[in-house]
Amino acid sequence: GQNIDQPTEMTATEGAIVQINCTYQTSGFNGLFWYQQHAGEAPTFLSYNVLDGLEEKGRFSSFLSRSKGYSYLLLKELQMKDSASYLCAVLDSNYQLIWGAGTKLIIKP
Amino acid sequence: GAVVSQHPSWVICKSGTSVKIECRSLDFQATTMFWYRQFPKQSLMLMATSNEGSKATYEQGVEKDKFLINHASLTLSTLTVTSAHPEDSSFYICSARAGAGEVETQYFGPGTRLLVL
Repeated sequence: GQNIDQPTEMTATEGAIVQINCTYQTSGFNGLFWYQQHAGEAPTFLSYNVLDGLEEKGRFSSFLSRSKGYSYLLLKELQMKDSASYLCAVLDSNYQLIWGAGTKLIIKP
Repeated sequence: GAVVSQHPSWVICKSGTSVKIECRSLDFQATTMFWYRQFPKQSLMLMATSNEGSKATYEQGVEKDKFLINHASLTLSTLTVTSAHPEDSSFYICSARAGAGEVETQYFGPGTRLLVL
């Protein structure tokens, strides 16, 4: 079966750095997405990785290792507004998005 | 990024009535739109994939006669919840894929909260 694992919840301190991991087992791979979802709102796109390596976009970076079936989202200089759920999603061989359950990130002052 | 709108943002209705939700891509043409449902503190659940001009593809366990999807144009898809019941109360979110490539990013609408009394 297809499976995406990410931690249920993480806590970090304002101004610090946090890394949210995502491991996947899917039938084929056509890229991995990270989305941010604030409580009560729809997800917003953060990043897309299809090749191995690190993609940096401001305070957020996303890393992919296809051989390990692994990705992480790195958030630097955490701000209170970064408190949200972070969703990992993989595009499989049928170009279907397989979603993780999301990681709830709690930022403390 | 691409903008997707949804209307209405909130619906409260009586049990047995039908509710229509619209999803529009405002600044791009979306050949494919997706409908999701999300219950509190749960992950997104894909309900159906909608391609312009053809019948929607429903996920297993989703009743196509209850959740009617129409994708009549490249910028509009509608979801109609027929004979809604309290268990249909949920957060319904649409997304649209920009461009013709299958790996294009999905952009989400703001969602519609449905409460069935």
